Amino acid sequence: DSGVTQTPKHLITATGQRVTLRCSPRSGDLSVYWYQQSLDQGLQFLIQYYNGEERAKGNILERFSAQQFPDLHSELNLSSLELGDSALYFCASSVVEFPYEQYFGPGTRLTVT
Amino acid sequence: GQNIDQPTEMTATEGAIVQINCTYQTSGFNGLFWYQQHAGEAPTFLSYNVLDGLEEKGRFSSFLSRSKGYSYLLLKELQMKDSASYLCAVRATSGTYKYIFGTGTRLKVLA
Repeated sequence: DSGVTQTPKHLITATGQRVTLRCSPRSGDLSVYWYQQSLDQGLQFLIQYYNGEERAKGNILERFSAQQFPDLHSELNLSSLELGDSALYFCASSVVEFPYEQYFGPGTRLTVT
Repeated sequence: GQNIDQPTEMTATEGAIVQINCTYQTSGFNGLFWYQQHAGEAPTFLSYNVLDGLEEKGRFSSFLSRSKGYSYLLLKELQMKDSASYLCAVRATSGTYKYIFGTGTRLKVLA
């Protein structure tokens, strides 16, 4: 158990819908990262937050947005869902000391039908 | 561009030693990380290298050559439970820090 929690574990929804994925980082970690992993694909970095502020952006679609709240939990919002958005979505948090290794949550498996 | 290359699949025998290579080209460099990921599960942190050389951690060692953009993960005394994907990731520095992951090397350990 990494200490990072994600809900829900599974999500099945239809095309065109909107969903929200939730993540709570490990106690003491200020950074939260979101990744997408499609079948047989590598982890694609979406976005990073640090202490409530957006820190870095990867290949995140305009239909996707995220935020980090004062209690440091984060939410990833996916809207106008398409079949191709079906994937595992991981959240990770990183330690505050160098080398800032990341610890991953168990992931949310999203299936868009 | 940013690119990380790893072999797609490798097979080895229980008790043997296997070396998984990773080459990278990134904008800036602030550390190389190895993660293990079992199918359908979250990646777990294995090791990191910031300076050139070998870092040893039990049955796992990782090597880095920054001038060559090259790293490897060495697994000794392979066990069946080591069957997993091994992800190489670079913490790149291009304005802000970003983690760039390779697509992973799927290792099968045979009895």
